[in-house]
Amino acid sequence: QVQLQQSGPGLVKPSQTLSVTCTISGDSVSSNSATWNWIRQSPSRGLEWLGRTYYRSKWFNDYAVSVKSRITMNTDTSKNQFSLHLNSVTPEDTAVYYCARVVSTGNQAFDHWGQGTLVTVSS
Amino acid sequence: DIVMTQSPDSLAVSLGERATINCKSSQSVLYSSNNKNYLAWYQQKPGQPPKLLIYWASTRESGVPDRFSGSGSGTDFILTISSLQAEDLAVYFCQQYYATPYTFGQGTTLEIK
Repeated sequence: QVQLQQSGPGLVKPSQTLSVTCTISGDSVSSNSATWNWIRQSPSRGLEWLGRTYYRSKWFNDYAVSVKSRITMNTDTSKNQFSLHLNSVTPEDTAVYYCARVVSTGNQAFDHWGQGTLVTVSS
Repeated sequence: DIVMTQSPDSLAVSLGERATINCKSSQSVLYSSNNKNYLAWYQQKPGQPPKLLIYWASTRESGVPDRFSGSGSGTDFILTISSLQAEDLAVYFCQQYYATPYTFGQGTTLEIK
C-alpha cells in the first residue's frame, strides 16, 4: 500500500526558503515507472502543479514556469524521500503543499497524495 | 498552458438526485495515437488531499462507487453522480495530464439542496 508522508515547517519568513519533504512507503523514489510531484493549493491560485522529479536511468526534474527560477527538487534514495525547496518566498507562496505520485506506465493521474503541509509565509 | 474551466462553480442537489459537473479544456486532451483522453476527476473533502475518482476521462479508480461516472472527449467532459449521497458533499476538480504543466479546473462545490 503506497503512502506519502509529508514533513516540514509551517511558517517561513519572507525572502527565505520553503522546504517540504515527502517520505514514500510502498514504492520507490527510484522507480522507473513513477514520477514524484509537488502541487500546491491556495484560495487565490487554486490547485497548481509545481513540478516533478523522476528516475529513468538518471534523474530528471521538470518545473512549472511560474516558479522555475526559485524551485529545486531533490531526492534521498537512502531515506526514500523527495523534497521541495522554494526560495525567495513571499506571502503569495502561502498555500497547502502536497506531494503526489503518478505511475507513468499506469493511469498517469495523481493516484496517491501526501496529507498536505500548510506553509504560511509571514514575518 | 491548457486552461481547464469547470461549470458550475457550485451546485446544490437533493439527496438521491443526479449531479452533473462540466469541465472544458482550452485544447484537446485526446491523444490520437492511443485514443485516450488525458483527463482525471478528483474529489476533495475539507482538510483532506484530493482523491482520484476517474482517469482516462471515464475509468473509475479502484474502490470508487459506481454512482460516479465520467464521460466526454476532446475538450468537453462531464462528471455525473447518479444518486447523490450525503458523503458525496465535497469539491470536485478536473485535471488534464496531456501536457505539462498539468492543470486543474477551479473546482465545483457540491452542496445539499
